[in-house]
Amino acid sequence: SAVISQKPSRDICQRGTSLTIQCQVDSQVTMMFWYRQQPGQSLTLIATANQGSEATYESGFVIDKFPISRPNLTFSTLTVSNMSPEDSSIYLCSARTSGTYEQYFGPGTRLTVT
Amino acid sequence: GDSVTQMEGPVTLSEEAFLTINCTYTATGYPSLFWYVQYPGEGLQLLLKATKADDKGSNKGFEATYRKETTSFHLEKGSVQVSDSAVYFCALHPGGGGADGLTFGKGTHLIIQP
Repeated sequence: SAVISQKPSRDICQRGTSLTIQCQVDSQVTMMFWYRQQPGQSLTLIATANQGSEATYESGFVIDKFPISRPNLTFSTLTVSNMSPEDSSIYLCSARTSGTYEQYFGPGTRLTVT
Repeated sequence: GDSVTQMEGPVTLSEEAFLTINCTYTATGYPSLFWYVQYPGEGLQLLLKATKADDKGSNKGFEATYRKETTSFHLEKGSVQVSDSAVYFCALHPGGGGADGLTFGKGTHLIIQP
């Protein structure tokens, strides 16, 4: 398994600003992902963070709105840009190791946009 | 595309009752199946998994059997405790070595009353 930490754990931001969320894994992992969980809802995959190359985005999510970096095998960031109240959600980072399909999740970042 | 359907909640049971949370899936190929649990205010934790037909995943008294003929992965526990109160998510990975994220069901909120 992998232990994942996220910073910040929560934030309240103003409309039009941007927030960068950091995700740190305690061991090298092959894949990292970012999900969004809107209040009372399930998880929706935003993108796969690829090490050394551009992230792979799911339908409905674009790089200009959610730029992602993954400079090495244990760290990734997600930026939520030009925020609006509709971006209020929990953002979760996850990781997967080679040879398995299960993912391990960070504790999430609870974002409120006012 | 792939999808996961699980029973709507909330599900309210008395302590020591038998629990079943239904989960069915639609996927091509041979997916891996998972149950995750989210306790109040916390991130997702992997509860159990099964990677091929007829596999039984088990953990903390919970069990689920991968039934390919009925495309189901129902979660069961013989005697629930108040501490089992949480939201339970059924999820799948399509397999095939792909770089895909997980597809989640909508989650089932379980409430156990003393």
